[in-house]
Amino acid sequence: NAGVTQTPKFQVLKTGQSMTLQCAQDMNHEYMSWYRQDPGMGLRLIHYSVGAGITDQGEVPNGYNVSRSTTEDFPLRLLSAAPSQTSVYFCASRPTGLISTDTQYFGPGTRLTVL
Amino acid sequence: KQEVTQIPAALSVPEGENLVLNCSFTDSAIYNLQWFRQDPGKGLTSLLLIQSSQREQTSGRLNASLDKSSGRSTLYIAASQPGDSATYLCAVVGTGFQKLVFGTGTRLLVSP
Repeated sequence: NAGVTQTPKFQVLKTGQSMTLQCAQDMNHEYMSWYRQDPGMGLRLIHYSVGAGITDQGEVPNGYNVSRSTTEDFPLRLLSAAPSQTSVYFCASRPTGLISTDTQYFGPGTRLTVL
Repeated sequence: KQEVTQIPAALSVPEGENLVLNCSFTDSAIYNLQWFRQDPGKGLTSLLLIQSSQREQTSGRLNASLDKSSGRSTLYIAASQPGDSATYLCAVVGTGFQKLVFGTGTRLLVSP
């Protein structure tokens, strides 16, 4: 198993550009989520999905879109990049969509800089 | 709103010491608490998960305890090694929402 994979590892954008961060998992997990990590603020939830076709907003969803057409993939779209979106983005998954005792598995992260 | 605090923010110890990392949370209505390790430039690796009904969990040299009523957890690392150097994050899953709420972490440096 590759676990949770993310591409790209690094990205530099100009203000106003759009892009998609890719996330995939090969563990047949129902639950997937996106977090951003900023210095001094910890990780914050952007969007999450409890299964294919089902997504919901997290704590900081503005400026981001998600979709979940398959169990394996959960891409994060930046609609019009802003400098405030400079961050490290982590994708995570866990086996079930219910609030549970399952641990979460994290991808290696995408470091995004918006100029 | 759930808030998670970790103290200290940074810790430097010589190899072989036993050490304790602290985590506190403001809302005791949680499903579980997890401890993660993050190496520089890398993702998070789950170390221990304590369910709300449990008091502690152990894995090798690591022991995590949970006192839900006081909103506290500790991660005990026995006989620390340079390979333990990393940032340690605690996170709680609260009732009613599908997310982990993270603390800002404790950066640990273990010197040979």
